[in-house]
Amino acid sequence: DQQVKQNSPSLSVQEGRISILNCDYTNSMFDYFLWYKKYPAEGPTFLISISSIKDKNEDGRFTVFLNKSAKHLSLHIVPSQPGDSAVYFCAARIYNQGGKLIFGQGTELSVKP
Amino acid sequence: DVKVTQSSRYLVKRTGEKVFLECVQDMDHENMFWYRQDPGLGLRLIYFSYDVKMKEKGDIPEGYSVSREKKERFSLILESASTNQTSMYLCASSLTSMSEQFFGPGTRLTVL
Repeated sequence: DQQVKQNSPSLSVQEGRISILNCDYTNSMFDYFLWYKKYPAEGPTFLISISSIKDKNEDGRFTVFLNKSAKHLSLHIVPSQPGDSAVYFCAARIYNQGGKLIFGQGTELSVKP
Repeated sequence: DVKVTQSSRYLVKRTGEKVFLECVQDMDHENMFWYRQDPGLGLRLIYFSYDVKMKEKGDIPEGYSVSREKKERFSLILESASTNQTSMYLCASSLTSMSEQFFGPGTRLTVL
């Protein structure tokens, strides 16, 4: 069973507009959520995270929102830039399980000039 | 600068061969992880280790084993490679279990 789901395999956005990437989860024991970005032929790199006790975390152009009651989080990128084109993975962690991460399937973002 | 290296970027092996994938980190991290990435499935955890000689099964350990004899090195072993183990293999490390994970560039393994 997929505990972390990214239901959109791809997203295309115009440069300068907002990109919204979505992620749903089923396990209420998750206490920490992360977004990773992956370019082709490279490993994923950490982008931004949020604790389950918060509902928003912001870092420059990137903001993550968490809605615990809906078991939903989203990543907003404003404004989107062509260099943001990559695959984005949502991941979740359960406290005290050795740092084990459960990843979603990924969403490929394409930002067009 | 944080660095996780993997021994090969591309590897082609035959069914039944024993395969070793090596991962080295230079950050003195306690935790190391092996994932595989497949289209439509994201990253799935195979094994992880929180200390030298310690290992824990991830979500898909079948057909794999691991070895961590030194803190900086974590090896993934396919005892008898099969075609369904064709995949991208990613190694990661983290300072503690609560820290972010840093990934290597990946090894694209093809089993014929």
